[in-house]
Amino acid sequence: EIVMTQSPATLSMSPGERATLSCRASQSVSSNLAWYQQKPGQAPRLLIYDTSTRATGFPARFSGSGSGTEFTLTISGLQSEDSAVYYCQQYNNWPLYTFGQGTKLEIK
Amino acid sequence: EVQVVESGGGLVQPGGSLRLSCAASGFTFSVFWMSWVRQAPGKGLEWVANIKEDGSEKYYVDSVKGRFTISRDNAEKSLYLQMNSLRAEDTAVYYCARVEGYCSTISCYKYFDYWGQGTLVTVSS
Repeated sequence: EIVMTQSPATLSMSPGERATLSCRASQSVSSNLAWYQQKPGQAPRLLIYDTSTRATGFPARFSGSGSGTEFTLTISGLQSEDSAVYYCQQYNNWPLYTFGQGTKLEIK
Repeated sequence: EVQVVESGGGLVQPGGSLRLSCAASGFTFSVFWMSWVRQAPGKGLEWVANIKEDGSEKYYVDSVKGRFTISRDNAEKSLYLQMNSLRAEDTAVYYCARVEGYCSTISCYKYFDYWGQGTLVTVSS
């Protein structure tokens, strides 16, 4: 099983700042990495797939990078509506998907 | 508009059974793999099961093998999860998710592009 580890667990930022969320895989997942955004009481929503491709509806403030075992989600110009839990997920080890434990992003 | 809507959750005693349903609309259901993903209260996401477009392949996380069965009815555009021998640790919101991506000759590389709002399953006496 590929273990996905996200850091930090919680990130407190101010509006306008840039947030950097990390995701590490226990073995290479190539570029088969997705990010999901989950707001309180809502379902997860696909944010980024194939490491760096933004899903429909998300602005260019959201960007993904990395390959192999190290991945980053960067959110620039933070806005209050970006407050959410962000999960990374590998889909290289088909069909055994694994998620990271999530990073809670707070905008204060 | 792509939509998937889950139903069938509720309170069930340990050892009991429950069948979840997911109604799909806004896309050609029969050409997509589908999945169930769950989230225990206050916890992260856990993939549960996948099913191929025609139902010929099914995959499960180890913790539910032999207890849960994923199935689909393409004519009804519906996905199902039959859950037997339920345990307290199965308590979670269960999400239906459409699977997008591609398959090569070696493997498949697919992620979850649309999710339903989820249905809560509580296993408790």
